[in-house]
Amino acid sequence: AQRVTQPEKLLSVFKGAPVELKCNYSYSGSPELFWYVQYSRQRLQLLLRHISRESIKGFTADLNKGETSFHLKKPFAQEEDSAMYYCALRREYGNKLVFGAGTILRVKS
Amino acid sequence: GAGVSQSPSNKVTEKGKDVELRCDPISGHTALYWYRQSLGQGLEFLIYFQGNSAPDKSGLPSDRFSAERTGGSVSTLTIQRTQQEDSAVYLCASSFGPTLYEQYFGPGTRLTVT
Repeated sequence: AQRVTQPEKLLSVFKGAPVELKCNYSYSGSPELFWYVQYSRQRLQLLLRHISRESIKGFTADLNKGETSFHLKKPFAQEEDSAMYYCALRREYGNKLVFGAGTILRVKS
Repeated sequence: GAGVSQSPSNKVTEKGKDVELRCDPISGHTALYWYRQSLGQGLEFLIYFQGNSAPDKSGLPSDRFSAERTGGSVSTLTIQRTQQEDSAVYLCASSFGPTLYEQYFGPGTRLTVT
């Protein structure tokens, strides 16, 4: 079975500080990893996926198969980054997403 | 273009009543998913449709839960004899295909069972 762990329920940082949202997974195959974001009163939306290898809104995430991690990073947090962030996994050739519990990011001014 | 839509946005029902939740996927999307977002369980998968067929129903929590999809488009999630533990936000998502494609989420239906 696949499992995604996000150890922090809440992460609070000051504007301009670096941010790292942690995500670890357990899956014996080759997973596809995602970060989804839900801003206040908005729907869940895809932020980035590991196969794209792109930076979205200044966020990056690298898949580390050795450590089974997919941490989300941003060098300088902005107030508009405040949201709920979910890490998710989809097994190879799979369909459903398996989500972590989510981390609330609060960026203080 | 139009995104995934869900109705109603909010539903309050009494314990023991049946409820129907509706999802309208993005036009042309063949894959449709239902998830549940609750305080204790986070975001959990319920069921997946490819066209009108449901090859994966593994997330449905009990036989009180059922879903159907007609015309390869609209889907309805039905909960019979609702219980208080069914209170949650029910999310629908659709994608162009099952694997590799991004899932687009609807706004959700907040179900409260009193």
